[in-house]
Amino acid sequence: SQKIEQNSEALNIQEGKTATLTCNYTNYSPAYLQWYRQDPGRGPVFLLLIRENEKEKRKERLKVTFDTTLKQSLFHITASQPADSATYLCALAGDTGRRALTFGSGTRLQVQP
Amino acid sequence: EPEVTQTPSHQVTQMGQEVILRCVPISNHLYFYWYRQILGQKVEFLVSFYNNEISEKSEIFDDQFSVERPDGSNFTLKIRSTKLEDSAMYFCASRLGLAPGETQYFGPGTRLLVL
Repeated sequence: SQKIEQNSEALNIQEGKTATLTCNYTNYSPAYLQWYRQDPGRGPVFLLLIRENEKEKRKERLKVTFDTTLKQSLFHITASQPADSATYLCALAGDTGRRALTFGSGTRLQVQP
Repeated sequence: EPEVTQTPSHQVTQMGQEVILRCVPISNHLYFYWYRQILGQKVEFLVSFYNNEISEKSEIFDDQFSVERPDGSNFTLKIRSTKLEDSAMYFCASRLGLAPGETQYFGPGTRLLVL
């Protein structure tokens, strides 16, 4: 069956360091992969999308890599700030073409001042 | 910036009662979705809707659930006879089209508690 796994349930880092979050998937052939941020009691907010033919994508302090051979995406936040503390969700569009998103369980990032 | 809105923000209901959750998608968007998130669990897809009909639905979306776009702006999710296990955050999302680069925009959610 199709699975998306985000390896760490929680990650604590010091302000200024780089946070690296991992997303692995099995039995998918996604055309693209997305990362969302979710704050407690709120809806997911889109951050970045990376296509299968892209190795890396950047947006300000965020960087995403996508390795379709390893079936893995890494999400990096450089120069992390306490305001980056949130849950980060990896999501794939179902490869049936319906484009609904299947989410991983998320990694809760805590950036300590 | 346009956003998806949802009402109510919180709903408490008795088991067996009907609830209607409302969403106003972004105005020029064509694709609409409902997701739910049980406390502490993943965001799960329920149903997608396009051109006034259901495009796809998950196993969760059984006969107790229905969706409707009653007018040009609202998109509703009805749960006919609520069960305790329907307690969750329900998120509406909308999307302009189906091109791979297009994002789904999520609303703030409705927290449903079934007693």
